[in-house]
Amino acid sequence: KNQVEQSPQSLIILEGKNCTLQCNYTVSPFSNLRWYKQDTGRGPVSLTIMTFSENTKSNGRYTATLDADTKQSSLHITASQLSDSASYICVVSGFYGQNFVFGPGTRLSVLP
Amino acid sequence: DAEITQSPRHKITETGRQVTLACHQTWNHNNMFWYRQDLGHGLRLIHYSYGVQDTNKGEVSDGYSVSRSNTEDLPLTLESAASSQTSVYFCASSTGLAGEGTDTQYFGPGTRLTVL
Repeated sequence: KNQVEQSPQSLIILEGKNCTLQCNYTVSPFSNLRWYKQDTGRGPVSLTIMTFSENTKSNGRYTATLDADTKQSSLHITASQLSDSASYICVVSGFYGQNFVFGPGTRLSVLP
Repeated sequence: DAEITQSPRHKITETGRQVTLACHQTWNHNNMFWYRQDLGHGLRLIHYSYGVQDTNKGEVSDGYSVSRSNTEDLPLTLESAASSQTSVYFCASSTGLAGEGTDTQYFGPGTRLTVL
């Protein structure tokens, strides 16, 4: 069964600190992996998209890594800000970007 | 600016009633999607469309229907609402032009539906 797991389920950090969120998947065949940020009460917003041939992609303070061999991805947030408080969702797509499988998300809280 | 909107933002209905949720995008995107989001689950795909007159079933399509008569709109209809359909519904769109399906999906603000 195609699945996407994320850890931790929730995370609390202090403003200015770095953090790393994890995503493991069993989706096969694999086309691409996305990370989304979802603020409370809003729709998800795309942060990064990586195909199987890419192993890192950055978007400002957000850096995603992908290991297609071990089927793992991580999202690293540098110098966190209060506005980073949100849920971060990992999404894996199957053949030619179809069959989106969403992870349950990691809830990040950044405290002053 | 181009955008994707959903209406209503909140809806309360009774079991057995027909409900239609609207989704309108001004991106001129080919692809449109409907998802539901429930606590403890990731977003799950209900229906999707790759263009006018094209519709496809997603993972959780039972009890839902869509139609695509123009590029801008993909309304989602619950034929006979059930309490299990209480959820937050998100509409999304993408160009459908990027290779390997890597085009960005843009999500609407969501509709919170409660079925009593």
